[in-house]
Amino acid sequence: AQKVTQAQTEISVVEKEDVTLDCVYETRDTTYYLFWYKQPPSGELVFLIRRNSFDEQNEISGRYSWNFQKSTSSFNFTITASQVVDSAVYFCALSETTSHTQGGSEKLVFGKGTKLTVNP
Amino acid sequence: DAGVIQSPRHEVTEMGQEVTLRCKPISGHDYLFWYRQTMMRGLELLIYFNNNVPIDDSGMPEDRFSAKMPNASFSTLKIQPSEPRDSAVYFCASSLYMNTEAFFGQGTRLTVV
Repeated sequence: AQKVTQAQTEISVVEKEDVTLDCVYETRDTTYYLFWYKQPPSGELVFLIRRNSFDEQNEISGRYSWNFQKSTSSFNFTITASQVVDSAVYFCALSETTSHTQGGSEKLVFGKGTKLTVNP
Repeated sequence: DAGVIQSPRHEVTEMGQEVTLRCKPISGHDYLFWYRQTMMRGLELLIYFNNNVPIDDSGMPEDRFSAKMPNASFSTLKIQPSEPRDSAVYFCASSLYMNTEAFFGQGTRLTVV
């Protein structure tokens, strides 16, 4: 079964610092998808990015960037010049493409999340 | 579109009572998911539907939990009888296809006393 590990339970930084959130995954599928979601204090889950296993190009969106490395099964997320509004719990997630009837799991499995606090 | 709509936002009930949580997915989305979030276990998938048909309910914790999707615009998650350990935030989400981004509702915070 697939597994997502976010080893950092909590991170605290000062505004304008860069911060990287780690995500390591396990899967037997050759085709799979990786996601990051943000959960601000208000509680809703907000989609940030989706990446398929064949696309190892890093992605940048404003102050956010993602580093996908298949060799180390990692999909790390970096926030550059962090701001107080970035304070949230961030979840990494994985879905496989082999159906559950074939021994896989298409369901989206989440890591336990990393709580980021950005202090002014 | 208004997004995924869940009701109620908060529910407090006594142990042993029946609880029904409701969800309206985004129109046109073929997949609907029910998740539960607790401090101890994080976000767990309970069940998901494709075109109103339950596909994988292996995450449903016990027979006390049941979910239905009578049509493309409505789903329910029922707990009967409820127990204090069912206290959690329950999220409903929908997506256009499998393996695409899921859009989450605001969740229902359930407290069983």
